[in-house]
Amino acid sequence: GEDVEQSLFLSVREGDSSVINCTYTDSSSTYLYWYKQEPGAGLQLLTYIFSNMDMKQDQRLTVLLNKKDKHLSLRIADTQTGDSAIYFCAEFSNTGKLIFGQGTTLQVKP
Amino acid sequence: KAGVTQTPRYLIKTRGQQVTLSCSPISGHRSVSWYQQTPGQGLQFLFEYFSETQRNKGNFPGRFSGRQFSNSRSEMNVSTLELGDSALYLCASSRQYREEETQYFGPGTRLLVL
Repeated sequence: GEDVEQSLFLSVREGDSSVINCTYTDSSSTYLYWYKQEPGAGLQLLTYIFSNMDMKQDQRLTVLLNKKDKHLSLRIADTQTGDSAIYFCAEFSNTGKLIFGQGTTLQVKP
Repeated sequence: KAGVTQTPRYLIKTRGQQVTLSCSPISGHRSVSWYQQTPGQGLQFLFEYFSETQRNKGNFPGRFSGRQFSNSRSEMNVSTLELGDSALYLCASSRQYREEETQYFGPGTRLLVL
């Protein structure tokens, strides 16, 4: 099946860590992605993880992958107000389409 | 390198009309894919074009169509507009529509159907 699910909303205080979670169904995906959408803008690829990795770190971003549970998470350390946006996890399905989760709105309070 | 551009950025139409949206990919990119984003359904894949051929299509009615020109620019058309077609329409370009290729998204065209 083609299904990617995320929680819809997360609110954190500036300086805290944010963790956005995602579950996916297509275990054949080689790459799993995190995209960011700021108000009035298109999607920007934030980071991705190769399916044979458990973890990938990129500056303030840490991606964790649990292939057994088909669970992906994005951790943003020292969250800033500029991180307020909608975050989408995505994968290429076995039908060759890029499938997105519903998006998690991250609200960062000063 | 210029990014993906979409025109127009905003559009207001009435039910029953038709609309054409345009997407210019990054230079050298031959794949253009289209997505519809709504608050209720999220981001849904519409179709993907490569070298003027539609290679993949999502679950949308035949009122949604597209094409790609020899310079890789793409257009999508929606005929007989319905209120539910109000959405942000995003296009993305890449060298190939594959997992290992980064998809670069344009800013979108926001369509409001009255």
